[in-house]
Amino acid sequence: DAGITQSPRHKVTETGTPVTLRCHQTENHRYMYWYRQDPGHGLRLIHYSYGVKDTDKGEVSDGYSVSRSKTEDFLLTLESATSSQTSVYFCAIRLRLAGTNEQFFGPGTRLTVL
Amino acid sequence: AQKVTQAQTEISVVEKEDVTLDCVYETRDTTYYLFWYKQPPSGELVFLIRRNSFDEQNEISGRYSWNFQKSTSSFNFTITASQVVDSAVYFCALSNEETSGSRLTFGEGTQLTVNP
Repeated sequence: DAGITQSPRHKVTETGTPVTLRCHQTENHRYMYWYRQDPGHGLRLIHYSYGVKDTDKGEVSDGYSVSRSKTEDFLLTLESATSSQTSVYFCAIRLRLAGTNEQFFGPGTRLTVL
Repeated sequence: AQKVTQAQTEISVVEKEDVTLDCVYETRDTTYYLFWYKQPPSGELVFLIRRNSFDEQNEISGRYSWNFQKSTSSFNFTITASQVVDSAVYFCALSNEETSGSRLTFGEGTQLTVNP
């Protein structure tokens, strides 16, 4: 258990509304990630963070923004949700051990945009 | 660019059969890491194994074994004497030190169904 929680776990929203997903970790990991999972695509990286206020884009970042004001929290925001953003969103942390790159995942958030 | 291919979308076996899940990867990096994750019907992602590019030793953990071959860019996963509880989606993934904070590049996953 890597001490990762995500909230909410499920959300249904309407097109055009803003949505914020929260990832919280308790073990002071430096690297945090947001992925989305869609059928036929596996998981794809949206954004990641390598420290407080340090973030960068992944391969599917359009329509998403992130913020990390504290080590333990990494927020993913959909400024104006679209139906194409219906997905399962996973947060992950990377272990600090050198030469491992192992990532552990939160339980996921299922988002439906109507 | 990195790429992971899991050509088997779905596999169905009968309990106690052995099953191998294939994973082929592409990368230009000399140092990289390969992973397998399990996603049971409950939806969480469970880490199974990591293998470094400089370590081609195969690994066995109980009924699970992994065969890493750099010559064919493959990292295959075998379950011996499969059980119903092995039913899940299995993902192979790749990362390196330099790309996007060591992000994981995932294959599309293989749905394994083990029937009683």
